[in-house]
Amino acid sequence: ETGVTQSPTHLIKTRGQQVTLRCSSQSGHNTVSWYQQALGQGPQFIFQYYREEENGRGNFPPRFSGLQFPNYSSELNVNALELDDSALYLCASSSPGTNNEQFFGPGTRLTVL
Amino acid sequence: GNSVTQMEGPVTLSEEAFLTINCTYTATGYPSLFWYVQYPGEGLQLLLKATKADDKGSNKGFEATYRKETTSFHLEKGSVQVSDSAVYFCALSDRNAGNMLTFGGGTRLMVKP
Repeated sequence: ETGVTQSPTHLIKTRGQQVTLRCSSQSGHNTVSWYQQALGQGPQFIFQYYREEENGRGNFPPRFSGLQFPNYSSELNVNALELDDSALYLCASSSPGTNNEQFFGPGTRLTVL
Repeated sequence: GNSVTQMEGPVTLSEEAFLTINCTYTATGYPSLFWYVQYPGEGLQLLLKATKADDKGSNKGFEATYRKETTSFHLEKGSVQVSDSAVYFCALSDRNAGNMLTFGGGTRLMVKP
């Protein structure tokens, strides 16, 4: 059974640029959630996708957007990057069959200069 | 809204010492409660969970009991090891909020030989 994978591992961008982060969910999981973890803080919920539709959103501006594909993999897109977007971005997959327990990937470390 | 408060770290202990990390929560519904652990440079791993009042979650010598009357879910271990050094996050998920996870700020544990 393959766990949750994320790419890339690390990324450096400059202010104003756009970035796409990718996540492959664990086999059999149809729900993907994205979290932002700033340095020294707990993860903050960005949004969740279930069967290719957004299924809940945290307190993040519209320049944070996402997609989920038919194979349940997902992308997080961030436009007009700001310095405060520097963080570890975590993806978690889950399924109603697992009582919605969320399984996390290793994260993508984004640095905005 | 939902929130989680946990004791600030770092917590520094000698090997074989007793560990307690306090966690309290605020929730409008009947949440499930979790402890996650994050080792340096890695994503989050589920340590233990409890889904209803008075449930005790346990794993790898760690325990936490869901106390509805005090809205608490304190993490304990009787004898810590150097390998337990990590950041510990208390979290809740609320079925009424789409099962998204709300995290505390994290507590860094350092265990010295």
